[in-house]
Amino acid sequence: EAQVTQNPRYLITVTGKKLTVTCSQNMNHEYMSWYRQDPGLGLRQIYYSMNVEVTDKGDVPEGYKVSRKEKRNFPLILESPSPNQTSLYFCASSFWLGGEITEAFFGQGTRLTVV
Amino acid sequence: GQQVMQIPQYQHVQEGEDFTTYCNSSTTLSNIQWYKQRPGGHPVFLIQLVKSGEVKKQKRLTFQFGEAKKNSSLHITTTQTTDVGTYFCAGRSGGYQKVTFGTGTKLQVIP
Repeated sequence: EAQVTQNPRYLITVTGKKLTVTCSQNMNHEYMSWYRQDPGLGLRQIYYSMNVEVTDKGDVPEGYKVSRKEKRNFPLILESPSPNQTSLYFCASSFWLGGEITEAFFGQGTRLTVV
Repeated sequence: GQQVMQIPQYQHVQEGEDFTTYCNSSTTLSNIQWYKQRPGGHPVFLIQLVKSGEVKKQKRLTFQFGEAKKNSSLHITTTQTTDVGTYFCAGRSGGYQKVTFGTGTKLQVIP
């Protein structure tokens, strides 16, 4: 079954404690993204990756890091989380075909609370 | 930077009424995608439009891409309670790999 798997689904942490949210896809997609979703602001892209070892900033990258060492995995790292990073996070993946990004498949989401 | 606005932010309709959400980009888009997110769920792809002036239909849903490729709309006829959710448009400007989502329209259908 084609899917994007995020873990954990829920996380409560304290300010400053480093955390990683994992994302894995089994569709051999080139393009992967992380988004955060906040009320009234829609989905905002944090980082994206065009392929292995190729990553770039989205619209709200401050306070986040990513890596793409393997095609299937795209972890999101918060080195020093702060309360303003409390949000719902989604990982997504797509094909990159002929210069176009195809439909995105989303993970189930990670609800992060930073206290 | 690219901005994509959607209106309205919220819409309550009586079951059986029609519904339309509009998506407006500050820049010309190479394509536009539409997604639906059910309450508590994740966004699910509905459709992609690529050509200027393109119109596509999926049963009761009609999607349009503007002639200038800067706006789009989603129209649902005869709404049902299963249509409840938030509808997002998403676009990318040519030459850029960033994807920008609209702010979303939350649809409530009153039985």
